[in-house]
Amino acid sequence: QVQLVESGGGVVQPGGSLRLSCGTSGFILTMHWVRQAPGKGLEWVAFTRNDGNDKYYADSVKGRFTVSRDNSKKMVYLQMNSLTVEDTAIYYCAKDDHWALDYWGQGTLVTVSS
Amino acid sequence: QSALTQPPSASGSPGQSVTISCTGTSSDVGGHNYVSWYQQHPGQAPKLIIYEVSERPSGVPDRFSGSKSANTASLSVSGLQAEDEADYYCCSYVGSKSWVFGGGTKLTVL
Repeated sequence: QVQLVESGGGVVQPGGSLRLSCGTSGFILTMHWVRQAPGKGLEWVAFTRNDGNDKYYADSVKGRFTVSRDNSKKMVYLQMNSLTVEDTAIYYCAKDDHWALDYWGQGTLVTVSS
Repeated sequence: QSALTQPPSASGSPGQSVTISCTGTSSDVGGHNYVSWYQQHPGQAPKLIIYEVSERPSGVPDRFSGSKSANTASLSVSGLQAEDEADYYCCSYVGSKSWVFGGGTKLTVL
């Protein structure tokens, strides 16, 4: 059974940075990051293949967010820079299978506020 | 990366059937068979209920089914039950190395 656990959320000022982590219960997985602003829908954010060779980003975060991974620790990270209030959301990591997201973590809340 | 178009709400009585549409373009829904659907109850993470247009993961009741015609995908729920009340999101691989979600549909069981 795959378990995903996000951490690293919190309150940050506009223009600040934050790094989110996602633990993958011992597996090396192809992963997505997805976010959900308060009361809003889901927005795909980023993708990293299990070998780390392919990384894709939504236009809304390209150049500001970076996805990385440490397969020796079974961890995936989302480095978020130049944060704005529009980045306020619950951030989920989710496992990819056949271009769908089949397992999700419980999410971590990021609040960008002065 | 414009969001896929879903109706904001849908409803049905217990035992009835309801269908939720998801309209995209030839670059996303119409260009691939990588359409998936997610169910999200309040305060919970989304759950995958349909992948590759019409495939159900293990454990998902066969009351849930998916289909696609041209640029529109559909999720059908038959034999509505109270626990089906939730938000539903479609998602498509875009092919430009990105994914896009629909805006979500709130399903109410009357």
